[in-house]
Amino acid sequence: KNEVEQSPQNLTAQEGEFITINCSYSVGISALHWLQQHPGGGIVSLFMLSSGKKKHGRLIATINIQEKHSSLHITASHPRDSAVYICAVWRIQGAQKLVFGQGTRLTINP
Amino acid sequence: DTAVSQTPKYLVTQMGNDKSIKCEQNLGHDTMYWYKQDSKKFLKIMFSYNNKELIINETVPNRFSPKSPDKAHLNLHINSLELGDSAVYFCASSQDRGRNQPQHFGDGTRLSIL
Repeated sequence: KNEVEQSPQNLTAQEGEFITINCSYSVGISALHWLQQHPGGGIVSLFMLSSGKKKHGRLIATINIQEKHSSLHITASHPRDSAVYICAVWRIQGAQKLVFGQGTRLTINP
Repeated sequence: DTAVSQTPKYLVTQMGNDKSIKCEQNLGHDTMYWYKQDSKKFLKIMFSYNNKELIINETVPNRFSPKSPDKAHLNLHINSLELGDSAVYFCASSQDRGRNQPQHFGDGTRLSIL
């Protein structure tokens, strides 16, 4: 089983809907990253967080260290938000490195 | 100005050939990485260098050899290419060893083995 699990794997919604993508992890971490990969293939870092909540525009990321869980929310979703969203954790047990979830493919229809 | 640039963007070659992918960052970062993204879009780390020193070397076949001539460059050379090497390879960098640092990714190199 992967150390980082995301749900759902695929999500299709209508423009304007509130979107939630979940990430659970099973190892000790120092930070969790949310990344966005557009259809063109490039990867952009959205958030890095180790506690609490961060907000950037319509995007909100939260993390609960005790429950080993993070969520990425998108408010007032737009077709340009269509992308693959990837959760990654910086693992501090064993080999210290970034470990990735399998990604969530989000499609927002107009 | 591109922060992390990798070349080429696409690489199509035959099995058995040797090829290189170059990566350069102009962010002044100390640490650079190579990641492989497979056909299912799953990313895995291959190598990491901190200030030209190898710090992460995952279980990657020794046909893959990273080279860091200076801290702004991390190239990936692949010998005797195999069909299973087809993937997208991403270079990335972070300010230091990356524990609590955001990573900046290049646009990826799509390698296709015929």
